[in-house]
Amino acid sequence: DVKVTQSSRYLVKRTGEKVFLECVQDMDHENMFWYRQDPGLGLRLIYFSYDVKMKEKGDIPEGYSVSREKKERFSLILESASTNQTSMYLCASSLAETWFFGQGTRLTVV
Amino acid sequence: GENVEQHPSTLSVQEGDSAVIKCTYSDSASNYFPWYKQELGKRPQLIIDIRSNVGEKKDQRIAVTLNKTAKHFSLHITETQPEDSAVYFCAASIGNYQLIWGAGTKLIIKP
Repeated sequence: DVKVTQSSRYLVKRTGEKVFLECVQDMDHENMFWYRQDPGLGLRLIYFSYDVKMKEKGDIPEGYSVSREKKERFSLILESASTNQTSMYLCASSLAETWFFGQGTRLTVV
Repeated sequence: GENVEQHPSTLSVQEGDSAVIKCTYSDSASNYFPWYKQELGKRPQLIIDIRSNVGEKKDQRIAVTLNKTAKHFSLHITETQPEDSAVYFCAASIGNYQLIWGAGTKLIIKP
């Protein structure tokens, strides 16, 4: 009963490429989040959305953008990938205090 | 801004012993405090949570305590087992729909 699905588990991209990370949830949640997870730094919020076509910057939005055209899908876009964006990316969705995470996408930028 | 501090960053305990992870939060309006466990290569999953009107909650070998005055809460795991090895995250609610996360604690259970 997978509830939050990220399109890729592993991605390798070249510096300067435009990268799309997709996240889909099937729980009709209004809130969706993109986090970056690095050792010792925990979960850092990149962007979040509380409704279709709505987006809010998190703590580290630089170099990223997002798109939420449909309620179930929240996309993270790296406009021009750089090596310092090599990381684990986690998507989450929530309704009130009920949260679910995707399985994560490990992105390597070479 | 609001933040959650989590300690220690790494905790190594002998199998069968207890483990305690502590978090401190800054927003006095926070009223919901979940704990998530992330096993290697897997997604974080909720293991226990507590609300501000409760001081302690227990679920088998896991317990969480909350001290609202001091703004800190702790996760207690008793009789640790190898499957408890994971990264544990605490979080505190802010606003209506956000959580602020601690940096995580890597728990290592030594056989």
